[in-house]
Amino acid sequence: EVQLVESGGGLVQPGGSLRLSCAASGFTFSSYGMNWVRQAPGKGLEWVSYISPRGDSIYYAESVKGRFTFSRENAKNSLAVQMNSLRAEDTAVYYCARVRGPTVTVQWLDLWGQGTLVTVSS
Amino acid sequence: QSVLTQPPSASGTPGQRVTISCSGSSSNIGSNTVNWYQQLPGTAPKVLIYSNTQRPSGVPDRFSGSKSGTSASLAISGLQSEDEADYYCAAWDDSLNGYVFGTGTKVTVL
Repeated sequence: EVQLVESGGGLVQPGGSLRLSCAASGFTFSSYGMNWVRQAPGKGLEWVSYISPRGDSIYYAESVKGRFTFSRENAKNSLAVQMNSLRAEDTAVYYCARVRGPTVTVQWLDLWGQGTLVTVSS
Repeated sequence: QSVLTQPPSASGTPGQRVTISCSGSSSNIGSNTVNWYQQLPGTAPKVLIYSNTQRPSGVPDRFSGSKSGTSASLAISGLQSEDEADYYCAAWDDSLNGYVFGTGTKVTVL
């Protein structure tokens, strides 16, 4: 089955760290760029990061730059984000999503995981 | 704060046509293609329209997209109760070097 499954969410104190993972299956993971998108409770969608198929090109939203590190391990069909210096405003459901399209600027997200909830609170 | 602006809500009775607008700028909609996502309550988003006007297989032809200049629109014709959801436009932004989502529109079927 073609799917993405996120894991690693939970409750963390402000200033703390957390590592999220996204496991891909049912497709050739190494052929696709991937995005992370988050959604704060009751709010809209916010793009967080894009990572190219080989992991050699990464784009970040300003809101997470310098605090979040994105990576992928194609041999294990997995995507990860290391989140440091977490803030209350990072509280959200984090989705990984597969990128389709001929270029980075002409892309759409055609496969989404179910999301994992990160709560930053003392 | 999103750079793509949508009306917060839209509504219609079953069978009606509803249109959702998405306003951007030359660095996003004006330069790149627009996509639309549907998010049903409690679920992950799903792509509804990509590359301005294209429907993925499985998406009913009641959904259509258009783009003109720095704005785009999603139309839902023959509105059905299962169309009650949040809808988001999205596009790459060349100035921000990132993918941007619209503010989202909640569609209610009366």
